[in-house]
Amino acid sequence: QVQIQQWGAGLLKPSDTLSLSCAVSGGSLSGYFWSWLRQSPGKGLEWIGEIDHSGSTNYNPSLKSRLTVSVDRSKNQFSLKLSSVTAADTAVYYCARDLSEYFYDNNGYAYRHDSFDMWGQGTMVTVSS
Amino acid sequence: DIQMTQSPSTLSASVGDRVTLTCRASQNINSWLAWFQQKPGKAPRLLIYKASSLQSGVPSRFSGSGSGTEFTLTISSLQPEDLATYYCQQYNSYSWTFGQGTKVEMK
Repeated sequence: QVQIQQWGAGLLKPSDTLSLSCAVSGGSLSGYFWSWLRQSPGKGLEWIGEIDHSGSTNYNPSLKSRLTVSVDRSKNQFSLKLSSVTAADTAVYYCARDLSEYFYDNNGYAYRHDSFDMWGQGTMVTVSS
Repeated sequence: DIQMTQSPSTLSASVGDRVTLTCRASQNINSWLAWFQQKPGKAPRLLIYKASSLQSGVPSRFSGSGSGTEFTLTISSLQPEDLATYYCQQYNSYSWTFGQGTKVEMK
C-alpha cells in the first residue's frame, strides 16, 4: 500500500527558504504527478505546484517566482523549496499524489485534470521573526 | 483563477439526517469537481471525483451530483464519524482551486 511521509523545518524567519520533502513508499513515483498544497486560516486550501517522475513541473503563478519543486528518483522522493518567505507563508503544507484524469479533444490532444487521492500527514510551517 | 463558493459555512444536523452541501463555481468547470472530507489535525480525504464518482473505500452514503457551475454533496444518513469539514475542488483549469469549506456539526 502506497504511503507518503513528509518532513521539513517548521519554524522559519522572514526571508528564509522553506524546504520540505516527501518520500513515497510501497509504490513508484512513475505514472503520477505529485503535488504540494498548503492550508492556512486566511487563504484556505491552496495548490502550490506539481512534478512528475521525469521532473516536469507546473506551478501556481502566484508563487512561481519563489518556487522550486524537484524530484529524486533514486530515493523515490520529491521536494519543495519556497524562497523569501513571509508571515503570509505560514500554513500547514501537504504533499499529495495526483489522481489524473484525461480528456481528449477532437484532435487527439490530451488535457489532464487532477484531484488528489493520497496525502502526506502535513507539516506546520510558521514564519516569525 | 476559478472561484469556488460553498454553502452553508456551517451545517447542524442529527444522526440519520439527509445532508446536502452545495458548491458553486465562478465559471463552467464541466464535471471536473472533487469533494474532500477533513477532520481536525488530519489531511483531507478524497470522497468524490469527477462530480459523482465515489472514491474507493468511501461509504456509499456519500454521493455527488452536478455539472457546469453548481454541484452538491449528499450524505444520505449522517453518521457520527461524518462530523468534519467538507471542501470542494475544481480541476477544470490551472490553478486547481478549493472552496472555503462547510463544517458539519451535530445538532
